[in-house]
Amino acid sequence: DIQMTQSPSSLSASVGDRVTITCQASQDIDNLLSWYQQKPGKAPKLLIYDASNLETGVPSRFSGSGSGTDFTFTIRSLQPEDIATYYCQQYYSLPELTFGGGTKVEMK
Amino acid sequence: QVQLVESGGGVVQPGGSLRLSCAGSGFTFNSFSMHWVRQAPGRGLEWVAFIRFDGQNTFYAESVKGRFTMSRDNSKNTLYLEMNGLRVEDTAVYYCAKDPHYYDARGYFHQWGQGTLVTVSS
Repeated sequence: DIQMTQSPSSLSASVGDRVTITCQASQDIDNLLSWYQQKPGKAPKLLIYDASNLETGVPSRFSGSGSGTDFTFTIRSLQPEDIATYYCQQYYSLPELTFGGGTKVEMK
Repeated sequence: QVQLVESGGGVVQPGGSLRLSCAGSGFTFNSFSMHWVRQAPGRGLEWVAFIRFDGQNTFYAESVKGRFTMSRDNSKNTLYLEMNGLRVEDTAVYYCAKDPHYYDARGYFHQWGQGTLVTVSS
């Protein structure tokens, strides 16, 4: 199984701050990584796929980068509506798919 | 637009069974592979099962293999998850999710249903 280690598990930031979340795979997964946003009581929402491609309709303040084993998700300027938990997910080993543990983003 | 609507959740005793359904609309259901993903209360996301667009192949997480069966009826645009031998640790919100690619699966989750809660408790 490919393990995904996401950090930090939580963070607190102010409106306008740059927020960065990292995700590390236990083996090379090329660029086969996606990022999701989940607000309380709601289903997750796809933000980024193939490590750096922004899903249609997602604001451009969200971005992703990385390849191999190390990946980064960035919110360029945090907005109040970005308060949520974010998950990375690898699909290199389809159909065995795994998520990172999640990062809860809170407002300072 | 794409809609996925799960149903069938509820409370069941350990060892019991339950069948979840997921009705799809707004897309060509028989052209897309589908997944089940679950989330235990206060926990992260866990992939559960995958089925090819034509229903010919299914794959399961080790945690549910041998107890859960995923199927689909493309004539009814509906996905199913038959859950047997339920355990307390199966308590979770179960989401169905659509793969993004026609025919050949990519493995990430393009759209999600709203989820249905399964509680396993005596």
